[in-house]
Amino acid sequence: QTVVTQEPSLTVSPGGTVTLTCASSTGAVTSGYYPNWFQQKPGQAPRSLIYSTSNKHSWTPARFSGSLLGDKAALTLSGVQPEDEADYYCLLYYGGARGVFGGGTKLTVL
Amino acid sequence: EVQLVESGGGLVQPGGSLRLSCSASGFTFSSYVLHWVRQAPGKGLQYVSAISSSGDSTYYTDSVKGRFTVSRDNSKNTLYLQMSSLGPEDTALYYCVKGGTWTWHYFDYWGQGTLVTVSS
Repeated sequence: QTVVTQEPSLTVSPGGTVTLTCASSTGAVTSGYYPNWFQQKPGQAPRSLIYSTSNKHSWTPARFSGSLLGDKAALTLSGVQPEDEADYYCLLYYGGARGVFGGGTKLTVL
Repeated sequence: EVQLVESGGGLVQPGGSLRLSCSASGFTFSSYVLHWVRQAPGKGLQYVSAISSSGDSTYYTDSVKGRFTVSRDNSKNTLYLQMSSLGPEDTALYYCVKGGTWTWHYFDYWGQGTLVTVSS
């Protein structure tokens, strides 16, 4: 069974920088896994942030960036704002349409 | 403005069936892949199913294969998820998500979800 692993929780100070990662049980994450990142605030539907590793949607704030970091996909928030407090999910693809979400990272801005 | 509105959720007994719908507007429906993603109460996201723009290619996660069927009516701008042999593990908020024009690997707009509760 394929497992995608994220940090369960992270805490960052306002104005700080934080990196969330997304690892695959199958080995190193590459661009061929088409990493996607999503943000979900309490009581709301998820919102798409990043697709294909590092591409932003038109609504994605500039402070969010996606990359590959070592053998993982990564989402970096630079200059964190209080409104960035949310759950963040990554999604990796394992051939065709077989997508697997990570368990999510709860980001606290404190 | 892109809008996705799910409907059809509700309370169903174990072993029962339900058909979810997702009505879309604000884009050329027939040109895009569509996805279903679900979220059990208090849990994370789970990728459920996807369908190509023409409807001739589909995908299901292992846990729903043989029980769920995804389809679309491009003349009605509507996506469907027929669910049968439902169990408590299928209790979740089901989201319809707009995908890309030629790739499975892209998500942009999400609906607000429709809640399915499987319980006796």
